[in-house]
Amino acid sequence: GAGVSQSPRYKVAKRGQDVALRCDPISGHVSLFWYQQALGQGPEFLTYFQNEAQLDKSGLPSDRFFAERPEGSVSTLKIQRTQQEDSAVYLCASSLETGFSGANVLTFGAGSRLTVL
Amino acid sequence: AQSVSQHNHHVILSEAASLELGCNYSYGGTVNLFWYVQYPGQHLQLLLKYFSGDPLVKGIKGFEAEFIKSKFSFNLRKPSVQWSDTAEYFCAVTSNTGRRALTFGSGTRLQVQP
Repeated sequence: GAGVSQSPRYKVAKRGQDVALRCDPISGHVSLFWYQQALGQGPEFLTYFQNEAQLDKSGLPSDRFFAERPEGSVSTLKIQRTQQEDSAVYLCASSLETGFSGANVLTFGAGSRLTVL
Repeated sequence: AQSVSQHNHHVILSEAASLELGCNYSYGGTVNLFWYVQYPGQHLQLLLKYFSGDPLVKGIKGFEAEFIKSKFSFNLRKPSVQWSDTAEYFCAVTSNTGRRALTFGSGTRLQVQP
């Protein structure tokens, strides 16, 4: 597609429910990132995929957070047993390159806003 | 670990005023630096980037930023702001030995009054 597509755009969950957030990156983009953006804050890194391989998950805040990208394209971020502190906008970004180069620029999606009641 | 500081949290300017938003990073290795902008209701968009070469980089919509290595700074400037520049601005950094992901500052909300 022309851009990074995320769904749902808005999700309201009751505390304790599981949620799944989807990211469809730009076609052919090798790298995919998930970020969490709390209200009034900058995006915080969650996890990084290179194709289907999850190379860095050091930013996932707890074992309730799980991400996958099984075929190296679409990715899903799953949050189990949601808590109020999980309320945030979850951003997905993709890039064509993998290395430390001038071509490695991230394109962001519009985000999925999660509200946990 | 790399970190980014944006000291101005909320800036209010009148149209035609000059703008300078501060950004400092903590990492001492080779860095790539970025400014992203988020207009109301829209997603993050790249404003400009620095990878190497001329430390004064020019981006879209008349923005520019200067990389000063000795000060670990990458301040964003615009000589004359417009009402349409109202947005949130984020400075971000990656390094050649740190994690591949961008590390963002907390953002600066710019409000331009007509």
